[in-house]
Amino acid sequence: DGGITQSPKYLFRKEGQNVTLSCEQNLNHDAMYWYRQDPGQGLRLIYYSQIVNDFQKGDIAEGYSVSREKKESFPLTVTSAQKNPTAFYLCASSIGRGDSYNEQFFGPGTRLTVL
Amino acid sequence: ILNVEQSPQSLHVQEGDSTNFTCSFPSSNFYALHWYRWETAKSPEALFVMTLNGDEKKKGRISATLNTKEGYSYLYIKGSQPEDSATYLCASRPVRRYGSGNTGKLIFGQGTTLQVKP
Repeated sequence: DGGITQSPKYLFRKEGQNVTLSCEQNLNHDAMYWYRQDPGQGLRLIYYSQIVNDFQKGDIAEGYSVSREKKESFPLTVTSAQKNPTAFYLCASSIGRGDSYNEQFFGPGTRLTVL
Repeated sequence: ILNVEQSPQSLHVQEGDSTNFTCSFPSSNFYALHWYRWETAKSPEALFVMTLNGDEKKKGRISATLNTKEGYSYLYIKGSQPEDSATYLCASRPVRRYGSGNTGKLIFGQGTTLQVKP
């Protein structure tokens, strides 16, 4: 089955620790995205990548880092510099051409809780 | 309007009622508007992509309209069923400031959560 997988589903972290959230897709999509959702707010873009070995900051990139070494993988690291990391994190991918209306396909999400 | 805004934030209706909600978006740099449906414990799923002023799209009992000049879209659900209970997200895809095409980014509203009671 083609799709996007995120792991783990739930993640607990102690304050001050870095943690990496996994996102893998087998849809052969060029573009991948990381969003954060907080209660009462829309999805906010953290980072996105339109091609391998390239990525751009979204609206709330501070305290996060990403890499895009492979087309199918776009891991997100939540660093200790992120002041409010407890949130629900969604990964998405799309075909990625900038002149198209391509929809984004979403993974199931990871809920991160900082203890 | 600088952001994408949805109203109402939540809605409770009885089975069989028809309902609608609104998405407002910046009209000045519009490229496309997306509607997603997000059921609890599942991933958001695409409903519609709308691009032209006056567009109307339909999928079963769900339909949507688009007004790009005034910057709003309506989502309608006819004869709501309990399985329609979900959060409905809209997202604006802005045009690229320089050159052609769009930015590839989506700007999401906060969603409208619909609860349909049997």
